[in-house]
Amino acid sequence: GDSVTQMEGPVTLSEEACLTINCTYTATGYPSLFWYVQYPGEGLQLLLKATKADDKGSNKGFEATYRKETTSFHLEKGSVQVSDSAVYFCALKKKGAQKLVFGQGTRLTINP
Amino acid sequence: ETGVTQSPTHLIKTRGQQVTLRCSSQSGHNTVSWYQQALGQGPQFIFQYYREEENGRGNFPPRFSGLQFPNYSSELNVNALELDDSALYLCASSLSQVRGDHSPLHFGNGTRLTVT
Repeated sequence: GDSVTQMEGPVTLSEEACLTINCTYTATGYPSLFWYVQYPGEGLQLLLKATKADDKGSNKGFEATYRKETTSFHLEKGSVQVSDSAVYFCALKKKGAQKLVFGQGTRLTINP
Repeated sequence: ETGVTQSPTHLIKTRGQQVTLRCSSQSGHNTVSWYQQALGQGPQFIFQYYREEENGRGNFPPRFSGLQFPNYSSELNVNALELDDSALYLCASSLSQVRGDHSPLHFGNGTRLTVT
């Protein structure tokens, strides 16, 4: 079945460090890919998305590029802030399907 | 614009009991999806409701059931609670123009269910 695998957490960085959170997927066809963020005590918020190969999603300084050849959608940010501390989820959705398939999440902590 | 609201925020139940969780969808949205998020895991799709009918179901037993009302709000019912049902239950709404094609999901803050 379809699945999403994220790098193991937790990840701890200092403020202004570079961030990469790896995400790879297994799916038939050409799913849409998403990154969601979950702040403490809150639900999930859509951070960015890409709907076809080579698309780059971006938001709030975060970027991710849909790489079909490596089935990856790694999340990157050049300079993280303390306020970026949260749990990040990679997800896929196939066209016409009802559900999002999520990875297990990666907890990110940014220290001042 | 009113976002997705869920109630209650926290709930403690005993094994074997039944529980009902509620969700008000975002204004203008006609589709509601429910997810179960166990501690330290990603959300798992339970089912989706579109125009008051179930429109897709994940790998959950029949004791997980739901309803959607004419105002597009929704309920998740779980019968015969088990310890493993302890989780954060997330509701998400979206606008579907046709079955299976959605605007981005908007999630509520969830209901934390503890089964003892």
